[in-house]
Parts: sequence; structure tokens; C-alpha cells
Amino acid sequence: GAVVSQHPSWVICKSGTSVKIECRSLDFQATTMFWYRQFPKQSLMLMATSNEGSKATYEQGVEKDKFLINHASLTLSTLTVTSAHPEDSSFYICSAGGQGRSQPQHFGDGTRLSIL
Amino acid sequence: QKEVEQDPGPLSVPEGAIVSLNCTYSNSAFQYFMWYRQYSRKGPELLMYTYSSGNKEDGRFTAQVDKSSKYISLFIRDSQPSDSATYLCAMSAGGSYIPTFGRGTSLIVHP
Repeated sequence: GAVVSQHPSWVICKSGTSVKIECRSLDFQATTMFWYRQFPKQSLMLMATSNEGSKATYEQGVEKDKFLINHASLTLSTLTVTSAHPEDSSFYICSAGGQGRSQPQHFGDGTRLSIL
Repeated sequence: QKEVEQDPGPLSVPEGAIVSLNCTYSNSAFQYFMWYRQYSRKGPELLMYTYSSGNKEDGRFTAQVDKSSKYISLFIRDSQPSDSATYLCAMSAGGSYIPTFGRGTSLIVHP
């Protein structure tokens, strides 16, 4: 199956730090990638859709200036949490779709972000 | 009413039991149905992917879709402790990349 790699898997940092998370599709080209946030025992909450070569589309309530998304190539999307605060602590997961709209998403292993 | 309803559990069963996991939905436009397995602190892993109504089998796993009842199921035969995880259902309409997820059911298979 499709492989999506996400790095780092766990980050602990001080309040006010900016943190970058990388998401790579390893065996297919992904024109679209997705970023989710997941709280304990909750489902996935879509934050934004990352489009290669253009601006990301953010879901309602997600701060664009807080969560910067860059999708510079067909295999790499990055999420930068700027000036992170404790309330940004969460599990962030990226996914990439396969070829065509009917293909399911494949997920990375997630990044656990802890802000002290 | 949420678009996708899924009982969060936990569902606790003995090893070897047949497990039935279910989701109901309200959007009749959904055509693609998925089941993901998520271990603690890991990303969801695609288990089953079906289109429209019917059954699909893969090893110990069987996915069923009943569009007339807006009801989908995942059956796990001969359950193992390694099946202990959260199972998320997801579904999407034909024109959309983006699925709608259930909140997941926590499954515990005890030896």
C-alpha cells in the first residue's frame, strides 16, 4: 500500500518556539495532502488541505497565521506551528490521497507535539 | 445529528471472538466507505475500502455496506490481542477527496 512518512514523531519544546512537521509521500505523487489534529479519544479533525504549488485551504476556525502549510513539491508538505503555546499541544497527522478522487487517504504515523 | 455516528466503546472481547463494529450515517451521497485501524500514538492504517453496497473480505476482516439502511459494519473473525486498537469508519461522496470520519470504537481483545 501507499506509504506516507511523517517526521518528527515526537517533539517537546518551550512555549514560543516554532515547530516544523514534514509529511512525505514515498511511493506516489500527491498533489493534495491533508493535515489533521487529534485530541485524546477523539476523532480526526481536518485542519487544512495542502495543494501542491498553491495556497492551502484551511477549515473554519483554524488560524492560518498559526499553522503555516507549504506544499512545495509533489512529495512533500510541511506544517509549521508558529509561536507554539501549551494549547497547541496535540497529535498532528498528515495524509495523502492516491490517484484520483475515489482513492482513500493514507496516513502518516503522526507527530506528538508537547509544548511546555 | 452528526453525519457519521460510531459508538466509542470500549468494546472488550475474549481472544477468538467474532467482533462486530458498526457505523451509521445520514448523508445518502456517501459512496466510498473505509475502515481504518489506529494503534495508540500512531496514524490510522487503512484496513478496508469499499464502494457502494455489498461485502468485501480480506483475511479475517469483512466489511459490509448497506446503503439502504445507511449502515456499515466491520467484522473481525478469530480476534487476537494484537487487534486491540481504535477502529475508525470513514466515508466520502464521489466528488470529494475528503472523508468524514466517525469518532472511532476502542476495541480490547483480552487473552
